[in-house]
Formats: sequence, structure tokens, C-alpha cells
Amino acid sequence: GAGVSQSPSNKVTEKGKDVELRCDPISGHTALYWYRQSLGQGLEFLIYFQGNSAPDKSGLPSDRFSAERTGGSVSTLTIQRTQQEDSAVYLCASSLSTGQGREAFFGQGTRLTVV
Amino acid sequence: AQRVTQPEKLLSVFKGAPVELKCNYSYSGSPELFWYVQYSRQRLQLLLRHISRESIKGFTADLNKGETSFHLKKPFAQEEDSAMYYCALGITGGGNKLTFGTGTQLKVEL
Repeated sequence: GAGVSQSPSNKVTEKGKDVELRCDPISGHTALYWYRQSLGQGLEFLIYFQGNSAPDKSGLPSDRFSAERTGGSVSTLTIQRTQQEDSAVYLCASSLSTGQGREAFFGQGTRLTVV
Repeated sequence: AQRVTQPEKLLSVFKGAPVELKCNYSYSGSPELFWYVQYSRQRLQLLLRHISRESIKGFTADLNKGETSFHLKKPFAQEEDSAMYYCALGITGGGNKLTFGTGTQLKVEL
């Protein structure tokens, strides 16, 4: 596709259930980011993938959160045993990894509601 | 470690008034700075980047390495400028990661 695609657009889940959020980056982009945007808040960095390097997981809020990127393309963010405070919009972005003026392209996000 | 600071969570101005959204960064190397914007119900998108020295929608931003700042300015605010604005820092090497500030909500009142 032409842009970053995220699915599902909306997800309502019960507290304690696991959820998987998917991100399809722009073809050829080796850098991929996950961010969280809570209501009325700014961007909270979660995790960063760069090519075959070990991911930067420094933003993951707890061990209930994990992410993987298969084949250097599609990424899945998994939240286990969801809590109400996990409710937020989860944004994925991808970019080229080299060169000046590289731009991160964002998906529309997945709105997660934990009830 | 690199850091981006946007001190104002919310900035409210009247239409026609000048706007300045503040951004300060912390990075020991040569930085790349960006401003991103998120309009209501739209995805986050790039507004401008410092290396382009461009003016987009009347907005400009100058990189001041001495003050480690990259403030976003517009001489006359318009109602359609109301949005969430994020400053971002790109580093060279170390994985080339982009670091975003927490954002400033700009509200332009009539």
C-alpha cells in the first residue's frame, strides 16, 4: 500500500484478555516505531525496530507488552492481560533509516478500549 | 541520551496573533529536527524539517544550536492551525532513532 496501515482500527477488549495490534509499514522502510497516545496526552514511545538490529524496548511500560517484527516488515504489538490503563491509541510509524531529512510516516492508529 | 522538551502542553492564541511553539532538545551530536502536526481526526504528519529551511502553511522553524532550540513560529495564527504539534529529533548513528516531544496543543480562538 501507499502508506502505513494498522489493524484493527478499533479494538474493545475485556480486562485480562490479550490483544494483538498489527502494523504494515511502507515497503522498503527499515525503521519501525510504536507509540502510544493516551487521551489528552502526547506521544509515548514504546519500541523501535531498525533493520536486523536488536529492538530498542526502553519504552515498553511493563512486561505485559511485547512486539516483534517478522521478516523486517510487518510488526505486531502484543499486550497480555490487558488493564484499563492500557486504553489508548497505539500508533505505528515507519521511515527510511539513513539519509538526512528522513521522515517518519504514521498509520491511523488502533484505538484500544479495555472495559 | 537524546531528549526533546516541549514545555507547553496547551497554547491558546487569538486568530491573527503570532504563534510560537517552543522546542528544546538535548543531543551531543549533529541533530536533525522536525515538526509534526496532527489535525483533528487525521493521522500525524510531517509539517517541516530544519534542513529544508522551508515555510509550510506560514510556519517556520530555525535551528539554534547555541540554545539547542527549534521553535515553531507563525506571524498570524489561523483557525485551521488548531492542532497538536510535536517536535522530533533525529540522531545520526546509534540506530538513527527519532525521538518525539510530548506535544503542544495549539488552540486558535476567534
